[in-house]
Amino acid sequence: SQQGEEDPQALSIQEGENATMNCSYKTSINNLQWYRQNSGRGLVHLILIRSNEREKHSGRLRVTLDTSKKSSSLLITASRAADTASYFCATVYDRGSTLGRLYFGRGTQLTVWP
Amino acid sequence: EPEVTQTPSHQVTQMGQEVILRCVPISNHLYFYWYRQILGQKVEFLVSFYNNEISEKSEIFDDQFSVERPDGSNFTLKIRSTKLEDSAMYFCASSPRRDRGNQPQHFGDGTRLSIL
Repeated sequence: SQQGEEDPQALSIQEGENATMNCSYKTSINNLQWYRQNSGRGLVHLILIRSNEREKHSGRLRVTLDTSKKSSSLLITASRAADTASYFCATVYDRGSTLGRLYFGRGTQLTVWP
Repeated sequence: EPEVTQTPSHQVTQMGQEVILRCVPISNHLYFYWYRQILGQKVEFLVSFYNNEISEKSEIFDDQFSVERPDGSNFTLKIRSTKLEDSAMYFCASSPRRDRGNQPQHFGDGTRLSIL
């Protein structure tokens, strides 16, 4: 499968703690993106990291990419109850014919307790 | 901030009936997508659309499915003869022109399609 796979499937932490989610994929990518989905809502783009980048920050989010291991991680620092959601990694593969088709993993359900 | 809007939010249809799901992408975006998410499963790509034609489609997007951009704002997904297994959340997404593939996709809140 070309799709990314996240782990863990579920993560439960207290407010203020950091949350780390991992994603692995199978083939060469153009970029990897992380999305959040609140229950019953659409996917919200969080961060995009290109294949030639190793780390990217956005506010409390930190994403790393290791193309040699075909893996990425999403770190949410100082988590809040409002961060409770499902988090998905999605890959865009390195094929010139696609217009950014996203391949999603199954997601990590993050629960942050107040 | 501009949004992708989808209507209806929930559609209940009898098996065998045709259904049209509607989307209004962000106005200056030129690439459009449909994805679906069966309950408890991954979000799956259906089709991408650019310059009034299908760019890529997945194996899910068979002859029962079609897409159309009937005017300058709407983007529709039609399922001709629905099956029980078409029950899912359908998401529309759009992305801007520049740097294809390296732009985030903006998703609507989805249409929950229930086939009876």
